Amino acid sequence: GAVVSQHPSRVICKSGTSVKIECRSLDFQATTMFWYRQFPKQSLMLMATSNEGSKATYEQGVEKDKFLINHASLTLSTLTVTSAHPEDSSFYICSADTGREQFFGPGTRLTVL
Amino acid sequence: GQNIDQPTEMTATEGAIVQINCTYQTSGFNGLFWYQQHAGEAPTFLSYNVLDGLEEKGRFSSFLSRSKGYSYLLLKELQMKDSASYLCAVRSAGNNRKLIWGLGTSLAVNP
Repeated sequence: GAVVSQHPSRVICKSGTSVKIECRSLDFQATTMFWYRQFPKQSLMLMATSNEGSKATYEQGVEKDKFLINHASLTLSTLTVTSAHPEDSSFYICSADTGREQFFGPGTRLTVL
Repeated sequence: GQNIDQPTEMTATEGAIVQINCTYQTSGFNGLFWYQQHAGEAPTFLSYNVLDGLEEKGRFSSFLSRSKGYSYLLLKELQMKDSASYLCAVRSAGNNRKLIWGLGTSLAVNP
């Protein structure tokens, strides 16, 4: 299958700081990428759809000014958690659409102290 | 509304065969996906069905019946490492590529 990478895999930060997470499709171009969040023992929750060259589409209840998404190229989407707080601590996972299938990155575990 | 149903939990024995069912009701249909997710890890792609029938890939097979809104994932020769959550997801019709997710089936494989 196609390969999707995420960086960093784990980040610990202080409350009030911003954290940027990168999602890259390594062997294909992805017009569309998705950002999910998952709390322990809960289901995947879609946060937003990231489209190359246009604004992201956010799901209901997700603050677009807090979770900034940029999809500047066909292989890179970034999620920036601005002014992070302890309640933002979670497992953030991206997925990339090949035009047929969707593959996930390995995820980023964010801990906000 | 849009709905994906799959059993919450299943238990099976090492070496056996297990079938995980998924039924869906969505506004349009543009493919059904199965993913495997181990605790603390991201989901891993298992299969994609868009036409009716059985797709076989090693020990795993996936079946789709669009007229019945039904799919199953078949796991053969179960191994302990197959203990995981199995997620069924449907992509509805239209330009929006996002997936609609079931809640997942937690499979425990016992020795």
